[in-house]
Amino acid sequence: QSALTQPASVSGSPGQSITISCTGTSSDVGSYNLVSWYQQHPGKAPKLMIYEVNKRPSGVSNRFSGSKSGNTASLTISGLQAEDEADYYCCSYAGSSIVIFGGGAKLTVL
Amino acid sequence: QVQLVESGGGVVQPGGSLRLSCAASGFTFRNYAIHWVRQAPGKGLEWVAVISYDGSDKDYADSVKGRFTISRDNSKNTLYLQMNSLRAEDTAVYYCARDYYRVVRGTFDIWGRGTMVTISS
Repeated sequence: QSALTQPASVSGSPGQSITISCTGTSSDVGSYNLVSWYQQHPGKAPKLMIYEVNKRPSGVSNRFSGSKSGNTASLTISGLQAEDEADYYCCSYAGSSIVIFGGGAKLTVL
Repeated sequence: QVQLVESGGGVVQPGGSLRLSCAASGFTFRNYAIHWVRQAPGKGLEWVAVISYDGSDKDYADSVKGRFTISRDNSKNTLYLQMNSLRAEDTAVYYCARDYYRVVRGTFDIWGRGTMVTISS
């Protein structure tokens, strides 16, 4: 049950696009299209932003998109806004009711 | 509205026990798998445990296996986490979170606000 690998930090200027990677193994990210992404602002509960690799829940801006290639999933945020500054976590189902999170990436909007 | 509300957190000595509760409202609780996820101060999210919609299946992270027990009472719309043999590294905010699916798929669409557990002598 090793954590998925994310960059510790990413940054971008308002209006730009950024991508956060999430690398797992063939036993988790590579085996299931059950990768989800969560946004967490300081002191708040996480919020679901992307599920099943690339689906957006109702109410989530279409500036957020997800993809996957092999054992690596990615979250892209386009048209970066100040309120996007937060921590972002990826998560993958790993079979047998086991779930694994990434270590989290801190997004700074410059 | 749809919500989960955790309670039961507090300060406990190492080796002690604590039981957390998570009260659900606004949705049909018995139709969903529910998880516990924790976050140590300044650290990332860590999946802790899950229970299936009917309580028949339970799974745990290796870090808590044998010490924590997840359960649910669908008649009371409540989830529980019994934590025994607590260690300093169990110090964290504990969230309950609903799985988007009836079966366990690790997609958390509803989260509670969390309850803080501190293990300290």
